[in-house]
Amino acid sequence: GIQVEQSPPDLILQEGANSTLRCNFSDSVNNLQWFHQNPWGQLINLFYIPSGTKQNGRLSATTVATERYSLLYISSSQTTDSGVYFCAAMNTGFQKLVFGTGTRLLVSP
Amino acid sequence: KAGVTQTPRYLIKTRGQQVTLSCSPISGHRSVSWYQQTPGQGLQFLFEYFSETQRNKGNFPGRFSGRQFSNSRSEMNVSTLELGDSALYLCATSSQGLETQYFGPGTRLLVL
Repeated sequence: GIQVEQSPPDLILQEGANSTLRCNFSDSVNNLQWFHQNPWGQLINLFYIPSGTKQNGRLSATTVATERYSLLYISSSQTTDSGVYFCAAMNTGFQKLVFGTGTRLLVSP
Repeated sequence: KAGVTQTPRYLIKTRGQQVTLSCSPISGHRSVSWYQQTPGQGLQFLFEYFSETQRNKGNFPGRFSGRQFSNSRSEMNVSTLELGDSALYLCATSSQGLETQYFGPGTRLLVL
């Protein structure tokens, strides 16, 4: 099945800083999603982005499917951005979402 | 629209018992997927139901089972609980399949 790797595993930022999270996947995908898990365990869908670029406020994401990676950009980070960011991917040959191990982000005031 | 709801939110069981967890999807969503999250194994796919049929299944033993009702609500059952079944169980729903997934708050299961 598809393998999903995320980097960095941990990230500590000062409020107001920008960051880039990376997700590499081992095979072609027809589904790529980014999620944020808050400290209480709730997973929030940020982007459905199997290819191309999307933006939502301070967050944006880009997936380059031909090179098998996706990037999540967080600008002007806030303490409420803290938590774990997951990417998850699926390809047509393996119809289930496979999650990466996540990037744990801590934004300090 | 109301979000995905899961009940119960917390559960404590002892080894050998069985447990049933419930997931109510967003109105109109017909696909329900279940995931197990543990510190050691991360987020792992259990199974997906669509229109009362199991459509996809992950690599879990037969002790883990599920079903979906005609109103799209889903239940998962774990029989003969083991200590390693302690985890956060999450369900996610979508309208047709595995496109944008909306997660519930999860059920935290502790097996003693």
